[in-house]
Formats: sequence, C-alpha cells, structure tokens
Amino acid sequence: DVKVTQSSRYLVKRTGEKVFLECVQDMDHENMFWYRQDPGLGLRLIYFSYDVKMKEKGDIPEGYSVSREKKERFSLILESASTNQTSMYLCASSSVTLGEQYFGPGTRLTVT
Amino acid sequence: GQQLNQSPQSMFIQEGEDVSMNCTSSSIFNTWLWYKQDPGEGPVLLIALYKAGELTSNGRLTAQFGITRKDSFLNISASIPSDVGIYFCAGAASTSGTYKYIFGTGTRLKVLA
Repeated sequence: DVKVTQSSRYLVKRTGEKVFLECVQDMDHENMFWYRQDPGLGLRLIYFSYDVKMKEKGDIPEGYSVSREKKERFSLILESASTNQTSMYLCASSSVTLGEQYFGPGTRLTVT
Repeated sequence: GQQLNQSPQSMFIQEGEDVSMNCTSSSIFNTWLWYKQDPGEGPVLLIALYKAGELTSNGRLTAQFGITRKDSFLNISASIPSDVGIYFCAGAASTSGTYKYIFGTGTRLKVLA
C-alpha cells in the first residue's frame, strides 16, 4: 500500500511563528506536492518538487517555502505564520511513469 | 487556479440506488483520477484511468475515461451509507518529466438510509 504520512494532524500556532509541516512517502516517488484546501476554493497547489533539492512554485507560493533534502521527505515551511494561512494542508506524491497521485491524511493548521 | 467542471455539485440518494457523476474539461489529459474525501481527512484514490475509452471498476465503483480525453465519469452502484462524502476528479497532464494536476469542484454525496 502506498503511504503518505504527515507529521501532525492538528496544529495551533501563533501569528508570527515559524511553522514546519513534514511529509514522508514510502513509494520512492519522484514527485511530491503541497496543497492547501479551503472551503469553496478547492485544492490549490503551493509548491511541488520533481526531484531531490528541486522545487517549483505552484499557484499560491507567497508566504511559504519548501525543502526536499531526501527523496522521501518534503517539508513545507511557513516563515511567519499569519491568520490567513489557517487551512487544511495536504501533501501528495506521484511517480513520473504513472499519473497516480496519493495524498496524506492532512494537517489542519490554525493560526491565532 | 483552474478547476474542472464536476456535476452534480451535491446529491441526496436513497440507500441502494445507483449514482453517477462526471467531470468535463476544455483540456486533454493523459490520466483521470477519482478520489473520495471524508470530513477532516485527506483524499483517497479510488480509481485511476490511463487510456481514452478505458472502463475500470473497483468494487461497486466504475469509472470511464472519455474518448475525447476531456471528460470522465464515475458510477457507484447500490449505494450504502458509508458512501457519504465528497468525490472529486482530477485530470493529469504529463509535462517535462512530471505531471500537472487539475481538480474538479467536487460532488457531495449524501445517502439516506
């Protein structure tokens, strides 16, 4: 079974804090993704990575950065959390040969 | 960002009924994916389709990759209460060694026992 795990299911942070969200996949997938999901707005791509140390901006990268030091791990960093970053964050991975994309369980982040 | 047109937006059905939903796009895709998402959880991949015209089943679920490569359909037969949730499609296009995904707007399914 493909497994994508995320470090936390729920997080509460204060405005201005630096926040790290970690994602690990066990399928040796080349591609990894970070999305946020908000009611009425659907899934929006923040960043993706197609290889170790490689990254590309998605549709809404402002306020976020990412790190991929190992193939199985992709981290999302909120440099200075703001209340408008309160959201459900979803990590996903996929292989380059097939288009199947698998999601993690999500992290519900609340910034107060 | 862009979203695929998915219909219906929501539906109430009786337990035991069959359900159909579809996704349409103005773009061509290499792969169509169907997901189910429960409240507070991540989406779970139900079915993946790779070829135009392909029909694939997963238990009571059947999905088809439209022959124009611009649409896809999901059918659920003999619905049960645990089918409740949000179903959404995704189209995937291969580009420069990776895939780009566009997601549907979702169909919220409610099953009346």
